[in-house]
Amino acid sequence: QVQLVQSGGEVKEPGASVKVSCRASGYSFTSHGFHWVRQAPGQGLEWMGWISAYNGNTKSAQNFQGRVTLTIDTSTTTTYMELRSLRSDDTAVYYCARDAANGYNDFWGPGTLVTVSS
Amino acid sequence: DIVMTQSPATLSVSPGERATLSCRASQSVSSNVAWYQQKLGQAPRLLIYNAFTRATGVPARFSGRVSGTEFTLTISSLQSEDFAVYYCQQYHNWCTFGQGTKLEIK
Repeated sequence: QVQLVQSGGEVKEPGASVKVSCRASGYSFTSHGFHWVRQAPGQGLEWMGWISAYNGNTKSAQNFQGRVTLTIDTSTTTTYMELRSLRSDDTAVYYCARDAANGYNDFWGPGTLVTVSS
Repeated sequence: DIVMTQSPATLSVSPGERATLSCRASQSVSSNVAWYQQKLGQAPRLLIYNAFTRATGVPARFSGRVSGTEFTLTISSLQSEDFAVYYCQQYHNWCTFGQGTKLEIK
C-alpha cells in the first residue's frame, strides 16, 4: 500500500533553514510527482510547490519563490523540501502529498511540525 | 492566481441531515476541482476529484457537482464521523485551496 513517511518535528531560530523529508513506498516512485502543502496553526492549507519524481522538474508557488527548494532522490524514493530564511510565520505543519498524475493529491504524509522561535 | 472561495465558513447541521458546502472559482477551472476532509490533528483525506468522482473507499453519501465555476460538495445524511473541516482545491492552474468550511454538529 502507498505510504508517505515524513521526518520528525523541528525547532528553528529565525533566519535558519529547515529541510523536511518524505519517503514514499508501495508504488512505482517515478510515476507520481509530489506536492508540498503547509498549514499554520488554526489556519487553512497553503500550496508551496510541486516536483516531478520522473525528472526533478519543479514549480514553486509565488509566495515561496526564492526561498524554497524541492528535490528528489530516486535511490531512496525520498523527496525533500528545504525552506530558507525562516520567520515566525513559517511555523506550520508541512505535508508532502502524492500527485495523482492530474494535480490532485491522493495520498498525504502525516505532516511535520516546524516551529520557528527564538 | 485562481482564488477559491468557500461558503459558509461554518455550517451547523444535525446528524442524519443533509449538508451542502460551496466553493466558487474566480475563473474557469473546468472540472479540475477536488474536495478534501480534514479532522483535527490529521492530514487531509481526498474525497472527490474531477469535480464529482469519489475517491476509493469514500462512501456514496458524499457527492460533488459543478455548475460553471460553482462547485458543491453534498453529504446526504451526516454521520458522526463526517464532522470535520472540508477544503476545495483547484488544479487547473497549478494549485489553490479554498479557506475551508467547518462542519459542526448542531
